[in-house]
Amino acid sequence: DVKVTQSSRYLVKRTGEKVFLECVQDMDHENMFWYRQDPGLGLRLIYFSYDVKMKEKGDIPEGYSVSREKKERFSLILESASTNQTSMYLCASSLLGQNYEQYFGPGTRLTVT
Amino acid sequence: AQKITQTQPGMFVQEKEAVTLDCTYDTSDQSYGLFWYKQPSSGEMIFLIYQGSYDEQNATEGRYSLNFQKARKSANLVISASQLGDSAMYFCAMRGGGTGGFKTIFGAGTRLFVKA
Repeated sequence: DVKVTQSSRYLVKRTGEKVFLECVQDMDHENMFWYRQDPGLGLRLIYFSYDVKMKEKGDIPEGYSVSREKKERFSLILESASTNQTSMYLCASSLLGQNYEQYFGPGTRLTVT
Repeated sequence: AQKITQTQPGMFVQEKEAVTLDCTYDTSDQSYGLFWYKQPSSGEMIFLIYQGSYDEQNATEGRYSLNFQKARKSANLVISASQLGDSAMYFCAMRGGGTGGFKTIFGAGTRLFVKA
């Protein structure tokens, strides 16, 4: 059974804290993605990676960074959390190529106070 | 720039009837893929159907079909014989761009309510 796991389902952090969201996939997928989901805005791509140590900016990378040191793990980092980063964060992975669907993790609901 | 537009924030359909969820897209790429995902209230994202830009036939998967009109840049999802379990958010997505890994973008979603 294919699986994408995220380190936390719920997270509460204070403004200015450094936040790490971890994502692990066990399908040997090349691609990994981080999205944030907000009501009325759908899923917006923050960053994606198609190989170890490779990363590409999505549509809303400001305030975020990523790390991919191993193929199965893709981390999203909020360098200094702000209240406008309160959101649901979804990680996904897929095989390389444009005709492969993505497999999603369960999501992390982050609240920044 | 790539863009996905879903103009229906919410839709109602009677159980056992068919429903069409609209999706239009914008891209300058010649090669791209179009996807639909379902997100029930539990939150997980479920892949439903895929259409490649060079596919001549409309994709079908069980009760789901994708009405692909390339010239109009539309990729509407048709659900036949709606069931109560079809009540969910539905997202249209596009993947392409040629960037390594192929960027994927999503629309804002349509919430479907199936009435008994």
